[in-house]
Amino acid sequence: KAGVTQTPRYLIKTRGQQVTLSCSPISGHRSVSWYQQTPGQGLQFLFEYFSETQRNKGNFPGRFSGRQFSNSRSEMNVSTLELGDSALYLCASSFGGGVDEQFFGPGTRLTVL
Amino acid sequence: AQSVTQLDSQVPVFEEAPVELRCNYSSSVSVYLFWYVQYPNQGLQLLLKYLSGSTLVKGINGFEAEFNKSQTSFHLRKPSVHISDTAEYFCAVRRYSSASKIIFGSGTRLSIRP
Repeated sequence: KAGVTQTPRYLIKTRGQQVTLSCSPISGHRSVSWYQQTPGQGLQFLFEYFSETQRNKGNFPGRFSGRQFSNSRSEMNVSTLELGDSALYLCASSFGGGVDEQFFGPGTRLTVL
Repeated sequence: AQSVTQLDSQVPVFEEAPVELRCNYSSSVSVYLFWYVQYPNQGLQLLLKYLSGSTLVKGINGFEAEFNKSQTSFHLRKPSVHISDTAEYFCAVRRYSSASKIIFGSGTRLSIRP
């Protein structure tokens, strides 16, 4: 069974641009969660999608948005990039969310110049 | 609201020595507790989780953790570490709800010396 895949693995953008990150969950998993990992703030929850609906949301500004497609693949979008958005963005999938084990992808390393 | 405190940002230990990584949580409601490991340049992997029942939880790679409700702690232990255990370890908490978000601690970097 293939694991969680994230594309691209590395990305360099400049301030003010927007970016879209993609996550393909494990086959059969319907829940996808996104996290931001930085040295200063650690791991922070962005949002969770389940069956194309946002089920939970962290404390991030509206510049951060996401969506989930009918095949459970998910995208995360960040508009008007700021230097502080530089981070490792991790995606995790699980069968139903809740306490189901989350399987993490390798992450997308975003650098904002 | 829930919060998680990992008391040690770095723990150096010699190979084959025992190790304990400390985690304390704060919550006004019942929670589920987790430990994750992150190897260099990789995503997170679940080591173990406490949902209910026995307070001693055994996980992968020889790790175990004990849930102590009175001390609101969930410390991770391994009796004998290996070089391959070098990684960052995260404690996390989640409220009893399918729609609740998971809160991570700041992480503990475990470095193993030969």
